[in-house]
Amino acid sequence: EDQVTQSPEALRLQEGESSSLNCSYTVSGLRGLFWYRQDPGKGPEFLFTLYSAGEEKEKERLKATLTKKESFLHITAPKPEDSATYLCAVAGIKAAGNKLTFGGGTRVLVKP
Amino acid sequence: DTAVSQTPKYLVTQMGNDKSIKCEQNLGHDTMYWYKQDSKKFLKIMFSYNNKELIINETVPNRFSPKSPDKAHLNLHINSLELGDSAVYFCASSSLPGRDPNNEQFFGPGTRLTVL
Repeated sequence: EDQVTQSPEALRLQEGESSSLNCSYTVSGLRGLFWYRQDPGKGPEFLFTLYSAGEEKEKERLKATLTKKESFLHITAPKPEDSATYLCAVAGIKAAGNKLTFGGGTRVLVKP
Repeated sequence: DTAVSQTPKYLVTQMGNDKSIKCEQNLGHDTMYWYKQDSKKFLKIMFSYNNKELIINETVPNRFSPKSPDKAHLNLHINSLELGDSAVYFCASSSLPGRDPNNEQFFGPGTRLTVL
């Protein structure tokens, strides 16, 4: 069964203080690894899809990287508007349909 | 324009009641999903439909019954509601695999169900 573990559970940052979020995964074969952002009271919003080890994607202050066992979401010089819960998910090749298995998320708070 | 919409946004009801949550997507997607997010924020797939055909049916009590009248709608009916059903339910949609290079799932705003 596919499994995803995210750490830390919560992260408090000062504005401008860069940090990284970890997503460790176990999957029989990786079809894709996904990062989503979720604001309070809203649905998850797509950020990135990574398909193979060594792949990297960037969007504004966010950069996602992938190895065979884990993914990192790097937040560079964060701003208060980057405060959200960041969710990692995997789709395994044995999973039916387009099933995503999510981790528990990392709650990020960026203080001005 | 709202891509994936759900109604109602909030639902408060008594144990034992039957309730429905409606979902509509205007993205032209073929696949729709229902997820449950519990109090610890874990998001877990419940069902997936592809062109009105059930594809994913996780270990969910049979009190939960999805209904897809057409590929733009996926409703969730819950019978005999229990306290443990309290959660936020999200609808999502996506293109068929291979049609979207990101294989992105688009989520609705969620329905917060509270069972008293």
